[in-house]
Amino acid sequence: QVQLQESGPGLVNPSQTLSLTCTVSGASIGSGTFYWSWIRQPAGKGLEWIGRMQTSGISNYNSSLKGRAIISINPSKNQLSLDLNSVTAADTAVYYCARAGIAGRPDYSGVDVWGQGTTVIVS
Amino acid sequence: QTVVTQEPSLTVSPGGTVTLTCASSTGAVTSGFHANWFQQKPGQTPRALMYSTDKKQSWTPARFSGSLLGGRAALTLSGAQPEDEAEYYCLLYYGGAMFFGGGTKLTVL
Repeated sequence: QVQLQESGPGLVNPSQTLSLTCTVSGASIGSGTFYWSWIRQPAGKGLEWIGRMQTSGISNYNSSLKGRAIISINPSKNQLSLDLNSVTAADTAVYYCARAGIAGRPDYSGVDVWGQGTTVIVS
Repeated sequence: QTVVTQEPSLTVSPGGTVTLTCASSTGAVTSGFHANWFQQKPGQTPRALMYSTDKKQSWTPARFSGSLLGGRAALTLSGAQPEDEAEYYCLLYYGGAMFFGGGTKLTVL
């Protein structure tokens, strides 16, 4: 059973960098058959895709973040990380990591596994 | 900026049928958008329901189905149950990027 667990500081000062980690268990993040994503949700609002990365190094980001987000993968620790710089109060949200298959492949199964989320407050 | 639009709210009677839709500001939604649907109840993590437009996750109840309808991705609930009351989000792929719809609050009443 694949499980994802986010961790990081619950409080970040404005203009600083928000750094989060997602630890994967039950699967190898280095298998190359998945994209590993970050998604966030401000309180009472909808979901926003932040970006994704594959162990091959391919990454994609939501352009609305204007280059502030960097996602990285550490296969030796089976972890996914997110750095979001120059944060403001608008970045306050629950941050989720999630696993997504590679769309178009026969084994694609969607964005099927989510972490429980971690709340980050910028203040 | 790409915008994905869902009905803000819908109401269905217990045992009734309702269809939620997901539209793209870029034009008609096709199978190439690999539509995903998620269910989120208050205080809970989103749960995947559908992917690739019409494929169910192994845990998705049979009363849910996905399709393309009038240029939109659609999620149909047939035989609504009280436990189906939740927020539903669609997700569309745009090449390397993905965008969520704003969500539909479904009330079973």
